[in-house]
Amino acid sequence: GESVGLHLPTLSVQEGDNSIINCAYSNSASDYFIWYKQESGKGPQFIIDIRSNMDKRQGQRVTVLLNKTVKHLSLQIAATQPGDSAVYFCAERANDYKLSFGAGTTVTVRA
Amino acid sequence: DGGITQSPKYLFRKEGQNVTLSCEQNLNHDAMYWYRQDPGQGLRLIYYSQIVNDFQKGDIAEGYSVSREKKESFPLTVTSAQKNPTAFYLCAGLTGIGGYTFGSGTRLTVV
Repeated sequence: GESVGLHLPTLSVQEGDNSIINCAYSNSASDYFIWYKQESGKGPQFIIDIRSNMDKRQGQRVTVLLNKTVKHLSLQIAATQPGDSAVYFCAERANDYKLSFGAGTTVTVRA
Repeated sequence: DGGITQSPKYLFRKEGQNVTLSCEQNLNHDAMYWYRQDPGQGLRLIYYSQIVNDFQKGDIAEGYSVSREKKESFPLTVTSAQKNPTAFYLCAGLTGIGGYTFGSGTRLTVV
């Protein structure tokens, strides 16, 4: 079946630098994408979303970019902080009721 | 506080024993979901329910059962048929914009 995947399982970034987390998806019919952040021992939390009719969306310190031509989604975190250390998942809406998740990227922020 | 409430946070199961994980919500979600997460892995769908008194199997339903007698409640039973139940279990509800709100999870360990 089609699935959402992430390019790298881990990312180490210096505090204060920008982080870029990538995700490739395979379902060209997906119309809605979400990034989640999961801290150790907790449930995933919504970060930002984007619909397929958009290329870019900005939040507080985060930006999501969508390239439908190559089926690529990315999350950019500006001025990465220690509290940004977590696992980040991308998700795509495959139909009205279900999301498909990638395996996640573990981000570690170095002091 | 509104949200998805999972209990208990930690649960221990003996070999051959059935255990039930609780998931309660006060967000008026119609659709609810159960996911399993293994260390370093993504989320795998166990069961989901779109409306009361209806539910469907996900990708890894064997050894699990659910019920949806009330809109607010979607308990998951891990049966003795599930041979490798040690994992982190997440319950989620579908929001109006198409994403999920997650609970804080239950960590199940076989002893």
